[in-house]
Amino acid sequence: DARVTQTPRHKVTEMGQEVTMRCQPILGHNTVFWYRQTMMQGLELLAYFRNRAPLDDSGMPKDRFSAEMPDATLATLKIQPSEPRDSAVYFCASGLVPLGAPSNQPQHFGDGTRLSIL
Amino acid sequence: AQSVAQPEDQVNVAEGNPLTVKCTYSVSGNPYLFWYVQYPNRGLQFLLKYITGDNLVKGSYGFEAEFNKSQTSFHLKKPSALVSDSALYFCAVRVHQAGTALIFGKGTTLSVSS
Repeated sequence: DARVTQTPRHKVTEMGQEVTMRCQPILGHNTVFWYRQTMMQGLELLAYFRNRAPLDDSGMPKDRFSAEMPDATLATLKIQPSEPRDSAVYFCASGLVPLGAPSNQPQHFGDGTRLSIL
Repeated sequence: AQSVAQPEDQVNVAEGNPLTVKCTYSVSGNPYLFWYVQYPNRGLQFLLKYITGDNLVKGSYGFEAEFNKSQTSFHLKKPSALVSDSALYFCAVRVHQAGTALIFGKGTTLSVSS
């Protein structure tokens, strides 16, 4: 089965350090989503891309977070500088969305990066 | 504003009994509705979806869900619960005329006791 791959699975670092999380979407999927999950807030959408172009990043703190898709096989989410409140599980998901219409296809999630900022 | 509500934080059921996990939605257009399940230390896994047609949809692992337009609900059901069904369940909606992102509920923890 095709899967979304996220690396690293776990990351522990000190406050102020740069953190980079990577995602390899399912081949052929044209949309990539970044979510953050915490006990308090649940699942939050941070940003998403279609055909590598950012469509919406309104859920992301822009002063320290950035999301990019250097190519169709790699999406990155960076935090610089990191803060303890960024500790969460970050999920990447990918999906196939036809042009000009919303998709009735499900998103496929990776297993996440568990981030701890000390 | 579009939203999804899962009114129960936790549902407890005995193995072998039927289970229901509730979901209601509020959208301005016709919805696409989804259920996902999350096991510990894993990502969300797709269970089933409603797009159009028959109001009762069947999905993975014996789960089914009933779309009720008048009550704006999409409850997840299973006739006989298994201990292995214990997990976190998310309902999600995507509106036809809106963007591509799913709107997720807060999640419901299902606990099945033996």
